[in-house]
Amino acid sequence: DAGVTQSPTHLIKTRGQQVTLRCSPKSGHDTVSWYQQALGQGPQFIFQYYEEEERQRGNFPDRFSGHQFPNYSSELNVNALLLGDSALYLCASSLLTGTNYGYTFGSGTRLTVV
Amino acid sequence: AQSVTQPDIHITVSEGASLELRCNYSYGATPYLFWYVQSPGQGLQLLLKYFSGDTLVQGIKGFEAEFKRSQSSFNLRKPSVHWSDAAEYFCARARWTGANNLFFGTGTRLTVIP
Repeated sequence: DAGVTQSPTHLIKTRGQQVTLRCSPKSGHDTVSWYQQALGQGPQFIFQYYEEEERQRGNFPDRFSGHQFPNYSSELNVNALLLGDSALYLCASSLLTGTNYGYTFGSGTRLTVV
Repeated sequence: AQSVTQPDIHITVSEGASLELRCNYSYGATPYLFWYVQSPGQGLQLLLKYFSGDTLVQGIKGFEAEFKRSQSSFNLRKPSVHWSDAAEYFCARARWTGANNLFFGTGTRLTVIP
């Protein structure tokens, strides 16, 4: 049973460019959340998608946007990249309902902005 | 505002020694608390979680944590550390079981020496 798959694993972008990161959730999961983990910090919640809609959003600017597809996979888009966007981006999938709270995290995409 | 504090940035222990990693959470309603581990280049793996009930929680890999409301703490323990336990450990909380965003601490890096 595959876990959460993220692509690409690493990428380098230039300031001002746009980037798209992809995530395939664990089989059976219907919700995808995205986190940003800066070097030496804990992950910070960006937003969550369920039923192809953004349900919750953390304290991130509109440059960060996302999408969820009918197969539950998700994309994270970041426009007008800044040097400060350099981080590990983690995708986590879960089931929306139920109290058995269980996120499964992917290994992340390491984004470097130069 | 919710917050999670991990006072120790880096801890070094000898293999076979006991381990305790500290986590304090800010005052609020019943917290839902988690410990995650992150190995280099990897995503986050859930070690254990506390929602209610018995304040001593058993997790995977021989870890346990104790919830102490009076001290606003949720410290992680292991009686005998193995070299493979070297990793970054994150404490996190959610507002309720259905909440889909986690607030993470800044992490504690564990080094295990032979």
